[in-house]
Amino acid sequence: DVKVTQSSRYLVKRTGEKVFLECVQDMDHENMFWYRQDPGLGLRLIYFSYDVKMKEKGDIPEGYSVSREKKERFSLILESASTNQTSMYLCASSFEGGLAGEYSYNEQFFGPGTRLTVL
Amino acid sequence: LAKTTQPISMDSYEGQEVNITCSHNNIATNDYITWYQQFPSQGPRFIIQGYKTKVTNEVASLFIPADRKSSTLSLPRVSLSDTAVYYCLVGDIPNDMRFGAGTRLTVKP
Repeated sequence: DVKVTQSSRYLVKRTGEKVFLECVQDMDHENMFWYRQDPGLGLRLIYFSYDVKMKEKGDIPEGYSVSREKKERFSLILESASTNQTSMYLCASSFEGGLAGEYSYNEQFFGPGTRLTVL
Repeated sequence: LAKTTQPISMDSYEGQEVNITCSHNNIATNDYITWYQQFPSQGPRFIIQGYKTKVTNEVASLFIPADRKSSTLSLPRVSLSDTAVYYCLVGDIPNDMRFGAGTRLTVKP
């Protein structure tokens, strides 16, 4: 079974703190993603990475940065947390593309999420 | 990015067939259509994917007309446990596939 784990299920931080959210996948996936989910807005893509040390901005990268030093690990960094970054953060991973064994093209595997509250 | 439009919410009763239609008028020639399901407090889970005509698996069926400007996810004989948000996505990962707000399906007893 594919497993995507996130470092914390719940996190409470104060405004201005530097926050690290960690994501690890065990399937040797090339692609990794960070999303945030807010009521009524669905999932919005923050950043994604298609290889080690490679990153691409998603639709809402402002206020965030990412790091991918190893293939299995993708970190989301809030340099100076603000209250409007209170949200559910979801990490996902996928193969590069095409059929890969039993897994379909475009299939992303998600972690359980981190609910971050910034006070 | 190919934009998708789907109903915000739908209600159904146990045992009924549910059809959720998604519009994607500007779908590109190489785009696949992918559906995900999300339960409360969990990440989304891949359900089904197709390119044209009909695809069926153990969970759902996906109907895609010849012009590919829409698609319909069909859930046969829903149960209470099918209550979830369903997302329709068009495009390829990682560059241009995006989640929208999804359709909140509520199955009633």
